[in-house]
Amino acid sequence: GAGVSQTPSNKVTEKGKYVELRCDPISGHTALYWYRQSLGQGPEFLIYFQGTGAADDSGLPNDRFFAVRPEGSVSTLKIQRTERGDSAVYLCASGDRGRGVAGELFFGEGSRLTVL
Amino acid sequence: AQKITQTQPGMFVQEKEAVTLDCTYDTSDQSYGLFWYKQPSSGEMIFLIYQGSYDEQNATEGRYSLNFQKARKSANLVISASQLGDSAMYFCAMRANSGYSTLTFGKGTMLLVSP
Repeated sequence: GAGVSQTPSNKVTEKGKYVELRCDPISGHTALYWYRQSLGQGPEFLIYFQGTGAADDSGLPNDRFFAVRPEGSVSTLKIQRTERGDSAVYLCASGDRGRGVAGELFFGEGSRLTVL
Repeated sequence: AQKITQTQPGMFVQEKEAVTLDCTYDTSDQSYGLFWYKQPSSGEMIFLIYQGSYDEQNATEGRYSLNFQKARKSANLVISASQLGDSAMYFCAMRANSGYSTLTFGKGTMLLVSP
């Protein structure tokens, strides 16, 4: 499809396990963002990629969280030693300041992570 | 740092009526953009409307309009002629128009449209 694709849509894991969440952005979009949305809250910024590099990772809560975008397209968010507090919907968005209305972001449907 | 405040956790409106969703913001940036997104129960964030800080006219997009009052730092969303399909969470967000900048969201307002 032409939109942002996120997999898996749902992930249930046990405390202490490692998880990977994948984001496939809109083709040609250079900017890619990861957000975390807890129940009843707005999305909270985690990390922003411009191309292959992380332009801003100030939102990552701790060193258990890491994200890569090796070829400037698909990105993977990696969470080590998961904790129950990591349970949330992880949203990915892509954009291009040269396109659209002031470069608005296009979001995927999110990956819902549940840590038991 | 940027901050978005949405003071209405929930709003109710009858079908075909207009509704205003409040948003105030705080930033030290001179040039910035304000956005509204809709999030239905499916979870996807859908872009609705954008207002640039230097735009002199309020943005409009179909039934959506943005009541931008720069001096008061407010960017309220007005939905005219509400429809049942408008029931969703609505998020106000902003981003500085400089370098690498991220989109900062408010906590959202749940809108319920009744028949």
